Amino acid sequence: EVQLVESGGGLVQPGGSLRLSCGASGFTFSNYAMSWVRQAPGKGLEWVSSISGSGTSTYSADSVKGRFTISRDNSKNTLYLQMNSLRVEDTAVYYCAKDLTPRLLLPLFDYWGQGTLVTVSS
Amino acid sequence: EIVLTQSPGTLSLSPGETATLSCRASQSVGSRYLAWYHQKPGQAPRLLIYGASTRATGIPDRFSGSGSGTDFTLTISGLEPEDFALYYCQQYGSTPPPFGQGTKVEIK
Repeated sequence: EVQLVESGGGLVQPGGSLRLSCGASGFTFSNYAMSWVRQAPGKGLEWVSSISGSGTSTYSADSVKGRFTISRDNSKNTLYLQMNSLRVEDTAVYYCAKDLTPRLLLPLFDYWGQGTLVTVSS
Repeated sequence: EIVLTQSPGTLSLSPGETATLSCRASQSVGSRYLAWYHQKPGQAPRLLIYGASTRATGIPDRFSGSGSGTDFTLTISGLEPEDFALYYCQQYGSTPPPFGQGTKVEIK
């Protein structure tokens, strides 16, 4: 059974940093691209960043480029999102999501974690 | 950058009725790289349809998708109580992969 479990969310002041983690199990982690998708309170879904299965290719939304970094450790089956220079508008539930198609980076998500809440406030 | 516009914003229907949701893209979605998800309160989204018309694993056949180019439709035939939720379309053929703003299907 595929499982994705996020952790690392919490309350942080504007300008601060946070690192999110997503532990994966139930599939060959290195075969699949992974992504982060966020949802501000009461709002819709926003793609944040994606990383290829090998970790060599990454893509990020303009809204987080230069501030957020996606990475992965395939030996630990774990996805990360390092978030720096956080802004109030980054407040959201952050989901990690698995690509449906192996060996491609095609951001179509067949499994999602339960999400972790990041609150940026002074 | 493709923008997806969903309509209507809210659909009020009774169980057993048919829901028709629309997703319009600002430019053509290549190779029908269009997906639909639903999301219940407090839960993560769940993939329903991809490739515009292919049901994801475990999705009942009352859910069907159609369309190409810039106009796509999700049809739910015979609404079940568990179908009342938020529905999002998503384009996944290019980066950034946008989501629509969502359609809420609520009980009338």
